[in-house]
Amino acid sequence: DTGVSQNPRHKITKRGQNVTFRCDPISEHNRLYWYRQTLGQGPEFLTYFQNEAQLEKSRLLSDRFSAERPKGSFSTLEIQRTEQGDSAMYLCASSPTSGGNTGELFFGEGSRLTVL
Amino acid sequence: QRVTQPEKLLSVFKGAPVELKCNYSYSGSPELFWYVQYSRQRLQLLLRHISRESIKGFTADLNKGETSFHLKKPFAQEEDSAMYYCALLSGGYQKVTFGIGTKLQVIP
Repeated sequence: DTGVSQNPRHKITKRGQNVTFRCDPISEHNRLYWYRQTLGQGPEFLTYFQNEAQLEKSRLLSDRFSAERPKGSFSTLEIQRTEQGDSAMYLCASSPTSGGNTGELFFGEGSRLTVL
Repeated sequence: QRVTQPEKLLSVFKGAPVELKCNYSYSGSPELFWYVQYSRQRLQLLLRHISRESIKGFTADLNKGETSFHLKKPFAQEEDSAMYYCALLSGGYQKVTFGIGTKLQVIP
């Protein structure tokens, strides 16, 4: 499978703990996006990378959230001191910058976080 | 930029026409998409306005005057039941903004 891969698929944690999610995009895609989705809502933009550069970060993202894409390949999203309100599905997507699919997002299956 | 999908749920009978509404607000030149999520599958692109193509019988026309990008299909099929999200790609850093989604339920 050469699609976008996310790990772990499910994470249950206690309030106050730190969690980290990993995303492996489609290998030739330069752009990588993180979204958060809660029940009954559409995907909410969190942050976006072009190669290793983080180009935009949503105001929704508190200081407890940090994302990296160190070598322009995989990315990690870390949430520190988790709160119950962080419970959501975290979606990763990648996108090419050239060719006929420019602008199209290819999504992973998501990482579901439950904070107890 | 903002994307509005006014209906959270749309129920239609099989064979009836379908129209999923999407309105956007964006000061620049928009690029619009419809994404679909079938049960237990990942979110995937259905169609994009610049392609002007029909996918699975669905079409969508960008109306800049009304700032709309409604998704239409003349005859609904049971396999069309899914969540549909309208999305806007804004220029500059290529941010993609999604609407809240509309659940389409096709009744046999």
